[in-house]
Order: sequence, then C-alpha cells, then structure tokens
Amino acid sequence: AQSVTQLDSQVPVFEEAPVELRCNYSSSVSVYLFWYVQYPNQGLQLLLKYLSGSTLVKGINGFEAEFNKSQTSFHLRKPSVHISDTAEYFCAVRKSGTYKYIFGTGTRLKVLA
Amino acid sequence: DAGVIQSPRHEVTEMGQEVTLRCKPISGHNSLFWYRQTMMRGLELLIYFNNNVPIDDSGMPEDRFSAKMPNASFSTLKIQPSEPRDSAVYFCASSLNNEGGTEAFFGQGTRLTVV
Repeated sequence: AQSVTQLDSQVPVFEEAPVELRCNYSSSVSVYLFWYVQYPNQGLQLLLKYLSGSTLVKGINGFEAEFNKSQTSFHLRKPSVHISDTAEYFCAVRKSGTYKYIFGTGTRLKVLA
Repeated sequence: DAGVIQSPRHEVTEMGQEVTLRCKPISGHNSLFWYRQTMMRGLELLIYFNNNVPIDDSGMPEDRFSAKMPNASFSTLKIQPSEPRDSAVYFCASSLNNEGGTEAFFGQGTRLTVV
C-alpha cells in the first residue's frame, strides 16, 4: 500500500534561518507529489506540486521542493523563514492512474523570533 | 469559484444524536473526498467518490458512518448515532482527476464536538 513518511513531527527554527521538512514515499510506480500548508483553524492549502519534468519545483511563499526518484523523497525547503510560516505542513502522494491522495502525518513548523 | 464549501463550520451535539455534514465541491470537479483530522490519528481518508460513485470507503470507521453523493454538486457525511470519540475536524476536498494529476482542493472543515 502507498504510504508517506514525514520523519519530523515538529521543527523549531529561528526567523530568517533556512528550513527543510522531510518527506519520503513508498511507491515503485509513477507518482504525483504535493505539499500542503495548514494554518490554525483553516483547511489545507496547496504550496506546490510535482507532476513531471524538472525535479525542482517552486511554490508559493518562497518554498521549493526537490523530487528525488532514487531516494523516493520530496523534501520541502525555504532559505529564510518568517514568523508567518508557522503552520503545519503535509506531504501527499497520488499514484498515477488512481484517484486517491495519501497524506503524511504532518510536520509542525514553529518559527521563533 | 468560491472553492469547496462545507457546512456547518462548527457543530456541537449530544452523544447518540444524528449528525450530518455537508459539502459542495468545486464546479466541474469529478472526485470528492472526506477526511477526518484528529491530534492522535492525523489526517485520515474516510471515503472518496469519482463521478458521484463511491470508489473506496475502507476508511469509514464503522457502520455508524455513511456518505452519499446524490449529484455532482453535493455530498453528505452522516454519523448516526454519534459518540464522543467522533469529535474531530472533518474536511471535504475535491479534484479534477485526469492524467495531469491535479491537486485536491480543501474546504475549511467542520469542527464536530460530541458531548
């Protein structure tokens, strides 16, 4: 069965420091990959997605992610975080030819002043 | 488009009562998903529909839960009877599924509290 692993449940980081949130997935077939952000008391909002083509994907709010097929990873990065980036981040995968989106358990990013 | 619309935003009910959550997907989308989010279990997929037909309901916790999609613009998730352990935030999401692999769009959620 498809699965998504987000190894870090919480990541504290100081403002203006870089951050990487890790995501690994299990699949031997073609997949689509997504990162979502959830602010308190809100729904999930898409940050970026990988469908095909360039392995480096840029999203909103200065975030980017790199698809690494050999390591089955899709880590999210931002070179300099802001207080407003404090939120929960979810990695998701959808196997090509299917309808189902599988989400990781989320990583809570806390940006410290 | 107004996005995925869920109602109500908050629901407080007594144990044993019937609860109905509602969702209007984005117009033109052909897949609809119901998720449940709790601190303990994270984001769980309960059921999803494609072209109004339930495709996978393996995530529905038990027979007390049921979901319907009578047409392309409306879906309900019903819990009868409700129990305190059903307290959670329930999200509806929709997507246009094609080989382009578009993303799922989420509603704002319904926060359910069963007392």
